[in-house]
Amino acid sequence: GENVEQHPSTLSVQEGDSAVIKCTYSDSASNYFPWYKQELGKRPQLIIDIRSNVGEKKDQRIAVTLNKTAKHFSLHITETQPEDSAVYFCAATDSGNTPLVFGKGTRLSVIA
Amino acid sequence: GAVVSQHPSWVICKSGTSVKIECRSLDFQATTMFWYRQFPKQSLMLMATSNEGSKATYEQGVEKDKFLINHASLTLSTLTVTSAHPEDSSFYICSDRRGTGGIGFGSGTRLTVV
Repeated sequence: GENVEQHPSTLSVQEGDSAVIKCTYSDSASNYFPWYKQELGKRPQLIIDIRSNVGEKKDQRIAVTLNKTAKHFSLHITETQPEDSAVYFCAATDSGNTPLVFGKGTRLSVIA
Repeated sequence: GAVVSQHPSWVICKSGTSVKIECRSLDFQATTMFWYRQFPKQSLMLMATSNEGSKATYEQGVEKDKFLINHASLTLSTLTVTSAHPEDSSFYICSDRRGTGGIGFGSGTRLTVV
């Protein structure tokens, strides 16, 4: 089955700097890669996703890149703000009726 | 976006009792729903796949007789934690799968067993 590795587990950046979180996956059948932000005790919130027919996707300060050959994808947050502080999870799945497999999460702290 | 309703949002129960958690897909007929468990400072771990009209599929290490799943309709899946113990205290969250339409998550249930 799918295995998703996520690094780093914790990340501290100064406000205004960029943050990068990286994930790798194992199943070449996976073709949908969402990123979630989770506040304590709440459901994961989708912040951006990418499908395998695309190499990069951007939404304002957030971007995701995908290298299907190397089986890795990354989240890039630019101009970080204190409200970006949260736990971020990457995930992978295929286009069928299969569940998401999550990475272990990255706790991002943006220091004002 | 996807709308999935989950109840209760939190529950405290005594050790040895059972707790039922409901998950409703409000705007989609979900033949498949998923149940995850999240311990503090950890990731979401898949417990089981709930299939409408058939038996649930459990992940390795998850006791099917302890975590009873029922998916009697296309909009409702329930997870019952039977004979709960303190080590079952966790955040339980359900999700559906909408093909290319994305994934909806319930709001989660914080279970505390005392």
